Amino acid sequence: AQSVTQLDSQVPVFEEAPVELRCNYSSSVSVYLFWYVQYPNQGLQLLLKYLSGSTLVKGINGFEAEFNKSQTSFHLRKPSVHISDTAEYFCAVSLYKGYSTLTFGKGTMLLVSP
Amino acid sequence: NAGVTQTPKFQVLKTGQSMTLQCAQDMNHNSMYWYRQDPGMGLRLIYYSASEGTTDKGEVPNGYNVSRLNKREFSLRLESAAPSQTSVYFCASSDDVVGGRVTEAFFGQGTRLTVV
Repeated sequence: AQSVTQLDSQVPVFEEAPVELRCNYSSSVSVYLFWYVQYPNQGLQLLLKYLSGSTLVKGINGFEAEFNKSQTSFHLRKPSVHISDTAEYFCAVSLYKGYSTLTFGKGTMLLVSP
Repeated sequence: NAGVTQTPKFQVLKTGQSMTLQCAQDMNHNSMYWYRQDPGMGLRLIYYSASEGTTDKGEVPNGYNVSRLNKREFSLRLESAAPSQTSVYFCASSDDVVGGRVTEAFFGQGTRLTVV
């Protein structure tokens, strides 16, 4: 069963426009949620994470995400994107499946054009 | 701070050849992981190690073996490479586990493997 669903495989947007990357998860127990960014030919870098507390989480590079328990979502937003934000973004959930690990969505490619 | 270091960064293998991907972390983490990344598939867990001396299978372990040599190092071996193993391989480590759940994981830069 898919634990994390990223609804868009690719999101094209113009520079300085707002963007939202969508992520939904499925779990019957509480989870920790993450967004990672991968720039071309690079490893994964943590953007932000939700463990507990405030449902609005602020991350690096002006990104933020909101945890919505009733809708089981953790959408990533930025009010104004830059060309340099072009990258692949992965939503991940921390589950215990007999072992502790992160389970990733399939990724969303954000393409920012001038 | 090196964090998680993977070698090599790039490799081309012929079908049937073997090789070992190396991973080392300098953060004194107990847990280490090997993932593979394929287009449109996200990252999938191959093997993990919860502590030195223990390893277990993840989602896609077939065709791979691992060794947790010590607390720092976790290697991934392809005994007889196949074209289906063409992928980008990431090593990760973590020591933040609360209630059985990872609270943060750190990733290496990846190994881009092509099997021809």
